[in-house]
Amino acid sequence: DTEVTQTPKHLVMGMTNKKSLKCEQHMGHRAMYWYKQKAKKPPELMFVYSYEKLSINESVPSRFSPECPNSSLLNLHLHALQPEDSALYLCASSQSRIPANQPQHFGDGTRLSIL
Amino acid sequence: DQQVKQNSPSLSVQEGRISILNCDYTNSMFDYFLWYKKYPAEGPTFLISISSIKDKNEDGRFTVFLNKSAKHLSLHIVPSQPGDSAVYFCAASSTIPYNQGGKLIFGQGTELSVKP
Repeated sequence: DTEVTQTPKHLVMGMTNKKSLKCEQHMGHRAMYWYKQKAKKPPELMFVYSYEKLSINESVPSRFSPECPNSSLLNLHLHALQPEDSALYLCASSQSRIPANQPQHFGDGTRLSIL
Repeated sequence: DQQVKQNSPSLSVQEGRISILNCDYTNSMFDYFLWYKKYPAEGPTFLISISSIKDKNEDGRFTVFLNKSAKHLSLHIVPSQPGDSAVYFCAASSTIPYNQGGKLIFGQGTELSVKP
């Protein structure tokens, strides 16, 4: 069983919709991450939060808006997405961002389809 | 510019034999390396890691070897079991520069098939 929980598991939305992806962990981790994974490709980092503050933004389009309300929760707000944004969105957490020698633990992801 | 490379897209091994998965990297600043296993419709599961100060780390059936001079790491699975069939990703990160610390860079993955 994964200790990082993502909801929903599947999401279908139109290009004009607004939706949110949610991620929760109760391991006391202070770093949380969003990744995007396309089919047959490796996960690609989107955002990193450290102690509830945004630390890394990998030049992600503004139609993706992350939020970290507290140390256990991470949201990804979606608005006006494009069909090419259809992918598996993975959340991960680790004890801290620095030092980097700590494994990240992943949730099972949200499969997002944009119509 | 692919900093982490897994040159074998697939590998097929007989049950009970050794599986060896390989990974090469180009960034000499990487100081922490990990292997993840991924089943379809699931997120990556952390398997084993190694710090750049070591050259070997072992956990049960899984051993990771690091050759810093060759910028190469490998994962050995002994003995291989049908349940090990999955996609395996190697990943790397560095603490320096500080503002990029903790960022994981993944290889393209190798699909392992263990046949009974």
